[in-house]
Amino acid sequence: GAVVSQHPSRVICKSGTSVKIECRSLDFQATTMFWYRQFPKQSLMLMATSNEGSKATYEQGVEKDKFLINHASLTLSTLTVTSAHPEDSSFYICSARVLFSGGLLYNEQFFGPGTRLTVL
Amino acid sequence: DQQVKQNSPSLSVQEGRISILNCDYTNSMFDYFLWYKKYPAEGPTFLISISSIKDKNEDGRFTVFLNKSAKHLSLHIVPSQPGDSAVYFCAASASLSSGTYKYIFGTGTRLKVLA
Repeated sequence: GAVVSQHPSRVICKSGTSVKIECRSLDFQATTMFWYRQFPKQSLMLMATSNEGSKATYEQGVEKDKFLINHASLTLSTLTVTSAHPEDSSFYICSARVLFSGGLLYNEQFFGPGTRLTVL
Repeated sequence: DQQVKQNSPSLSVQEGRISILNCDYTNSMFDYFLWYKKYPAEGPTFLISISSIKDKNEDGRFTVFLNKSAKHLSLHIVPSQPGDSAVYFCAASASLSSGTYKYIFGTGTRLKVLA
């Protein structure tokens, strides 16, 4: 259980275009999803926390108008990189937090496989 | 300000021996700690966690030790296997105090288990 998928796994786009990345929890409902960004050989940096039905909470330094997050349902959150530039090229990873599953209390985040974005 | 630090960027261990990965944190509000394993171009995979009310948690070959007074945790892998070769991240959360359950990740340690 606790499988998280991301789509697409890899995307190459031209500078100035917008790219949407989907994050889905496949076998559980996730009230909270997180979006991370990882640069080569660096740690995972939290970008924002996404709660179903409400506005995302962005970390300091992350432009909310640049990285639009929508969490419209308990199984889907989307990250849209608007007007992408080469410096936005990175590995984007989402995670979903499981609170209760099968009557048990959890506090782990389960991560998607990531999306490699390359902006030319 | 790096609240979670993994001071060893890499570690090489012989197959069958013990791997010890270390993690230090600065925020005393952290009350939940986790270890994740990550392969290149993949998302992290959860390994093991520990609450601040415990000082040890064991799951198969993986054991996590927490020393709250030293603000230090470690992951022991015994015996190490070549398939354990990956980057290991520790993460900390101040879940009870903040309620947001967000994780702060360390910088990772690349483990290489030599056959």
